[in-house]
Amino acid sequence: AAGVIQSPRHLIKEKRETATLKCYPIPRHDTVYWYQQGPGQDPQFLISFYEKMQSDKGSIPDRFSAQQFSDYHSELNMSSLELGDSALYFCASSPGLAGSGETQYFGPGTRLLVL
Amino acid sequence: AQKVTQAQTEISVVEKEDVTLDCVYETRDTTYYLFWYKQPPSGELVFLIRRNSFDEQNEISGRYSWNFQKSTSSFNFTITASQVVDSAVYFCALSELETGANSKLTFGKGITLSVRP
Repeated sequence: AAGVIQSPRHLIKEKRETATLKCYPIPRHDTVYWYQQGPGQDPQFLISFYEKMQSDKGSIPDRFSAQQFSDYHSELNMSSLELGDSALYFCASSPGLAGSGETQYFGPGTRLLVL
Repeated sequence: AQKVTQAQTEISVVEKEDVTLDCVYETRDTTYYLFWYKQPPSGELVFLIRRNSFDEQNEISGRYSWNFQKSTSSFNFTITASQVVDSAVYFCALSELETGANSKLTFGKGITLSVRP
């Protein structure tokens, strides 16, 4: 079965640089979520989209922005990177309406290292 | 306030032992979902089980079983006859459909399970 695809899998950036993470949800899943997991931490919700509209926002820094495109893939844009942004970034997708409690299926994550 | 509490941080067992992972949650919603995810050393998050707040029926699936008790706000997970491949971090998560918009997951801190041969 198709899974959530994330690219790149690994990314190394310098401080103050910009990074773009991409997420391709499971086919026919129209809700996408982004989470950030710091070392030894639990995943923290950043932002979600349903039918290309932002549906909820969590603890996402103003330096980050995201969008969902017409083909339902999503991109997380991170600017002015800081050392503390080093983390594992997960994308998850689920079918149906956001807020319906559907299972979120996670991608393999993008491991970002900021030097 | 912590909404999902996994009081156990690390558990170490010998292969073939049974192990129960505890999860206590807090919510004012009457409609919510509870989940268990597994994160092996490779890093991906693997979905294991989902239960809604109206379904307290416990279930056994192979070596896995779940005990959901609303009276104690607990959603515990048991692995029977543990195997080395079960070594991972296990996260309990809550999705609130009333006060928590749009199904975002709130995770517990995770339990690191080590199964020794």
